[in-house]
Amino acid sequence: DTGVSQNPRHKITKRGQNVTFRCDPISEHNRLYWYRQTLGQGPEFLTYFQNEAQLEKSRLLSDRFSAERPKGSFSTLEIQRTEQGDSAMYLCAGSPTPGTDTQYFGPGTRLTVL
Amino acid sequence: RKEVEQDPGPFNVPEGATVAFNCTYSNSASQSFFWYRQDCRKEPKLLMSVYSSGNEDGRFTAQLNRASQYISLLIRDSKLSDSATYLCVVGGLMDTGRRALTFGSGTRLQVQP
Repeated sequence: DTGVSQNPRHKITKRGQNVTFRCDPISEHNRLYWYRQTLGQGPEFLTYFQNEAQLEKSRLLSDRFSAERPKGSFSTLEIQRTEQGDSAMYLCAGSPTPGTDTQYFGPGTRLTVL
Repeated sequence: RKEVEQDPGPFNVPEGATVAFNCTYSNSASQSFFWYRQDCRKEPKLLMSVYSSGNEDGRFTAQLNRASQYISLLIRDSKLSDSATYLCVVGGLMDTGRRALTFGSGTRLQVQP
């Protein structure tokens, strides 16, 4: 158990609805990453926080996606006006600093958009 | 060309067999290397880091060849519980200042009784 938790674990929604996911890393994880994973692929980077600062966003992250980490602890990922193509596993990973690339993943939120 | 390439498999092997997975990466500036294991519908979990000198953890041996940009994982005496997808992962410092991991698509292993 990495100590990283994510909620909800599963979300089924209708196209056009907004959804929000939460990630709680452990306190040592200054760096927090969001990934998306579809079947048969490895995780793809979405966005990255160093403490509360969002330092980078992937081109995969359209305007419908927004992420926050308001106090440098938990993070939320919101998808507005969901589309069927958003169906995927959304993974959060934490990493301590400095000097290590190792990331520890939460269990993920599986999103199904009908 | 993908940044990290793996044979998707599946590799179907009997219990007790030795199986080897290979992976190549395209970014010669990559600084860190890992194998992660992912069970069906679960999150990736760190299996082991990979060093140029090679490293071993029980039945698992990982090797890195920086000159060829090639990473390998050897599993000896396969167990049923080794059945999973093995993700080759490469890390480093991006131009943006982000320390990033890039994942391969994974190689699926099925160990059969």
